[in-house]
Amino acid sequence: ETGVTQTPRHLVMGMTNKKSLKCEQHLGHNAMYWYKQSAKKPLELMFVYNFKEQTENNSVPSRFSPECPNSSHLFLHLHTLQPEDSALYLCASSQDPVDEQYFGPGTRLTVT
Amino acid sequence: AQTVTQSQPEMSVQEAETVTLSCTYDTSESDYYLFWYKQPPSRQMILVIRQEAYKQQNATENRFSVNFQKAAKSFSLKISDSQLGDAAMYFCAYRSAGSNYQLIWGAGTKLIIKP
Repeated sequence: ETGVTQTPRHLVMGMTNKKSLKCEQHLGHNAMYWYKQSAKKPLELMFVYNFKEQTENNSVPSRFSPECPNSSHLFLHLHTLQPEDSALYLCASSQDPVDEQYFGPGTRLTVT
Repeated sequence: AQTVTQSQPEMSVQEAETVTLSCTYDTSESDYYLFWYKQPPSRQMILVIRQEAYKQQNATENRFSVNFQKAAKSFSLKISDSQLGDAAMYFCAYRSAGSNYQLIWGAGTKLIIKP
């Protein structure tokens, strides 16, 4: 596969469930990002990792927990989510944080 | 704090015609980058065009061009000879040239192409 991939593409979970979103980039990039995209709102940057180190955490609730085991993989662990967390979660990568970002297709999350 | 505003939630254009999408931003910085991203339905977000604030010349990529007015803090996207494949959400984004590399995004404009 090429580019940035995300799994699953769709996820429905209850408020008491625990699930994880996965992102993988095949571009040899060093920086990876998690964004939340809600309808009619600007993209919200959640987390940034550069060389596996978290460099940004934009006041994201602790029910979202990122993990970056290596430069190619990024996870977003979810637990006790709220209905307002329903959104499209986008992963992106770039060679370094100032370069163009390449996006994955997103995971459409619905919290019931 | 910087902000990006896209005042047109939705635009429509006849195929083969030209359309302009508006974007304004607010910043006190003099050096920065501006971007237009395209997100087709159920497909990945891709970069359409970028502009460095220090460059006076407007960026161009094939049928896509920008009108960058630094004093007015305006960064519009012009799409010439619109094609059905141009139908998408278009997002304007700003990034400081300094140490804060976070992208600041507009809310997007949905572009509809009429055949």
